[in-house]
Amino acid sequence: EPEVTQTPSHQVTQMGQEVILRCVPISNHLYFYWYRQILGQKVEFLVSFYNNEISEKSEIFDDQFSVERPDGSNFTLKIRSTKLEDSAMYFCASSERTGVNEKLFFGSGTQLSVL
Amino acid sequence: AQSVTQLGSHVSVSEGALVLLRCNYSSSVPPYLFWYVQYPNQGLQLLLKYTTGATLVKGINGFEAEFKKSETSFHLTKPSAHMSDAAEYFCAVSVDTNAGKSTFGDGTTLTVKP
Repeated sequence: EPEVTQTPSHQVTQMGQEVILRCVPISNHLYFYWYRQILGQKVEFLVSFYNNEISEKSEIFDDQFSVERPDGSNFTLKIRSTKLEDSAMYFCASSERTGVNEKLFFGSGTQLSVL
Repeated sequence: AQSVTQLGSHVSVSEGALVLLRCNYSSSVPPYLFWYVQYPNQGLQLLLKYTTGATLVKGINGFEAEFKKSETSFHLTKPSAHMSDAAEYFCAVSVDTNAGKSTFGDGTTLTVKP
């Protein structure tokens, strides 16, 4: 089965630094998503992306976050100035189409630790 | 707004025993409901979903779940646990046609004892 790939698997950064989390969605997919999971808490929707623009975003996705599809394969999440509370597992997902019957494919996540 | 409550952050069963993972939801409109599984060091994988129609839905790996509107529940069951079922399980609800915007529960860690 095709996979969504995320790199790196672990990222350690200093508070205030910028980080870029990378995702390679499945090649024929058109809809892309980022989620985060703070340790011990639930998975939270951050943002969805389609046709080279954000389609929806949550309250969590404030001005310090941005997403980009810089080329035909990568989908990135940038955190401009990391805070301690940004420490979490970040998941990327993609789907071919949108809708409740559409299957989401998740990556294995990037564990971000902000020191 | 919708929400999901998973009762029991940890569930432990013996191999061969019934698995029951509980999920209750809150939604002001008819919900779409999902169960995901997360194996160690892997991403979330869809087990099954309820959108419309038959309230008993069957998923992969022998799991099934029943949508009970009167109880606002969508509990996940499997008749006989296998060691390979040990993982974290997430219930999710969406009232949006975009499944990507689902609200997830806190997760339940399933341990299977030999």
